[in-house]
Amino acid sequence: DAGVIQSPRHEVTEMGQEVTLRCKPISGHNSLFWYRQTMMRGLELLIYFNNNVPIDDSGMPEDRFSAKMPNASFSTLKIQPSEPRDSAVYFCASRAGVGRRNTIYFGEGSWLTVV
Amino acid sequence: GESVGLHLPTLSVQEGDNSIINCAYSNSASDYFIWYKQESGKGPQFIIDIRSNMDKRQGQRVTVLLNKTVKHLSLQIAATQPGDSAVYFCAETNQGGKLIFGQGTELSVKP
Repeated sequence: DAGVIQSPRHEVTEMGQEVTLRCKPISGHNSLFWYRQTMMRGLELLIYFNNNVPIDDSGMPEDRFSAKMPNASFSTLKIQPSEPRDSAVYFCASRAGVGRRNTIYFGEGSWLTVV
Repeated sequence: GESVGLHLPTLSVQEGDNSIINCAYSNSASDYFIWYKQESGKGPQFIIDIRSNMDKRQGQRVTVLLNKTVKHLSLQIAATQPGDSAVYFCAETNQGGKLIFGQGTELSVKP
């Protein structure tokens, strides 16, 4: 079975450019999460959706970050304009149902470098 | 507040030995904990979970122990193998459904 699919796997961009990260959750899953991982801050939850609706975006660092989920099978995380401190691995994850004790499955991540 | 932290950042064990990875949490209302394994270049992978109405749960070669009195949980890996080398995270899901991770412990298995 296909897991959570993220693209691109790796991206190098220049400061000031727009970055769009994409995620396809596991089919049938109702919850979707965006995480950021850095050495300094570990794994941070940026935002999560239940049934395509943003539930908690308190982890989104600033207005340069935005996330959308136009349908149950697709989500984007956009950074505009990007800055070097945005360099990190961005993970998308999904969960069946909205129950908090259901397992959350992660994608392989998008490795972003902003120079 | 909500925070999940780890005692040790690195752990080195000999192949075949048992490994114990520790984790402390601060919120006494926390009632559901999960251990994830992250291999280099990959996303976190679910290992095992435990609810607060349990003290112990066993999986294949792994055991999680929960001590609510001191707000501590541990992951025990029996007969550690080279393939167990990874970073291990404890995490909790809060009442709002957010999965919050601790710092992580890097496990290194020596052949």
